[in-house]
Amino acid sequence: SAVISQKPSRDICQRGTSLTIQCQVDSQVTMMFWYRQQPGQSLTLIATANQGSEATYESGFVIDKFPISRPNLTFSTLTVSNMSPEDSSIYLCSVPDGVEGVFGPGTRLTVL
Amino acid sequence: ELKVEQNPLFLSMQEGKNYTIYCNYSTTSDRLYWYRQDPGKSLESLFVLLSNGAVKQEGRLMASLDTKARLSTLHITAAVHDLSATYFCAVDANNNDMRFGAGTRLTVKP
Repeated sequence: SAVISQKPSRDICQRGTSLTIQCQVDSQVTMMFWYRQQPGQSLTLIATANQGSEATYESGFVIDKFPISRPNLTFSTLTVSNMSPEDSSIYLCSVPDGVEGVFGPGTRLTVL
Repeated sequence: ELKVEQNPLFLSMQEGKNYTIYCNYSTTSDRLYWYRQDPGKSLESLFVLLSNGAVKQEGRLMASLDTKARLSTLHITAAVHDLSATYFCAVDANNNDMRFGAGTRLTVKP
């Protein structure tokens, strides 16, 4: 199945700063998804990133706060902008692989 | 809007016992997923259920799907400590993006 890597694996950031998370897949995929998992909670879809088009954001998530790039079929970035402690979460990217949904290892973000 | 309800949220079991986790969803979907998450880890795919009446088994876990009732179950047989984890069901909303249940935090005690 597809193998996904994410960078960084974790980070501690100051409020008001921004962090860019990278997601690399070992195969070409049309769609990539970004999810957020707040502490002790389930996963919530942030946006769908398709190569060659603007990302599609879910209700409650906006491009100014979570800009996404998708420069090619194996890579995407998610930026968490102007961070606050409420952004402390695990951020995961995911890709479809046949009928499966494969998840990256996640980026654990702590905002102080 | 697709909603996914999972219960129970917390489950404490004795080793050797059986139990079932339930997952209800609100609108028609093509796929139902079950994932396992260990503390500090990402999600591990357990099952993908694609059709009404589908049943899949792996070791002590068995998942089933009733699309008419919009219900999936994850049955645990003769639980062992290694099964302690959080289990999520998720439903394909549209084009492979998923809506997740709240998760069931399972603890298996000796």
